[in-house]
Amino acid sequence: AQTVTQSQPEMSVQEAETVTLSCTYDTSESNYYLFWYKQPPSRQMILVIRQEAYKQQNATENRFSVNFQKAAKSFSLKISDSQLGDTAMYFCAFTLPNFGNEKLTFGTGTRLTIIP
Amino acid sequence: DTAVSQTPKYLVTQMGNDKSIKCEQNLGHDTMYWYKQDSKKFLKIMFSYNNKELIINETVPNRFSPKSPDKAHLNLHINSLELGDSAVYFCASSRRHLLGEKLFFGSGTQLSVL
Repeated sequence: AQTVTQSQPEMSVQEAETVTLSCTYDTSESNYYLFWYKQPPSRQMILVIRQEAYKQQNATENRFSVNFQKAAKSFSLKISDSQLGDTAMYFCAFTLPNFGNEKLTFGTGTRLTIIP
Repeated sequence: DTAVSQTPKYLVTQMGNDKSIKCEQNLGHDTMYWYKQDSKKFLKIMFSYNNKELIINETVPNRFSPKSPDKAHLNLHINSLELGDSAVYFCASSRRHLLGEKLFFGSGTQLSVL
């Protein structure tokens, strides 16, 4: 069974600074997908970024980027120029590819607070 | 226009009651899901449906019964509610024909069993 571990329950950073959230996972498969989802106080789960395991290039989405280390089974999220709106719970998630039968395994989340 | 909508947003009920949560998506997706988020914010899949067909049933008690009248709707009915059922329940949807697709989540239904 796949597991996802987020070792930082809470983090805080000053506005405009850069912060990195950690995520490790365990799987014996070679092909899979990794995600970071954001859950702001509104409770809505929103996809931040997605990485395909067979792609060596790290995914980026504007101020968000990942450091994907496949051998180490590590998938950290870097938020640059952090903004107040980045305050949220961040969940790392994993899925194996399976048409119509994919299920996300989530980590326990990191509560990120951006301080004005 | 909300892509994945759930009703109600909040549900407070007594132990032993039966309740339903409704979910609708207007994205044309084939796959819909129910996820449960417990008090510690841990999210776990409960069910998934593809075009009205149950695909994933993640060892959920029989008191939970999903129903999909069509591919745009996935409702969750819970019988004989227990205190431990208190949680936030999220409906989600995704496209089926691509791998590793992102999920579109509803805003959740916070269920409180007293």
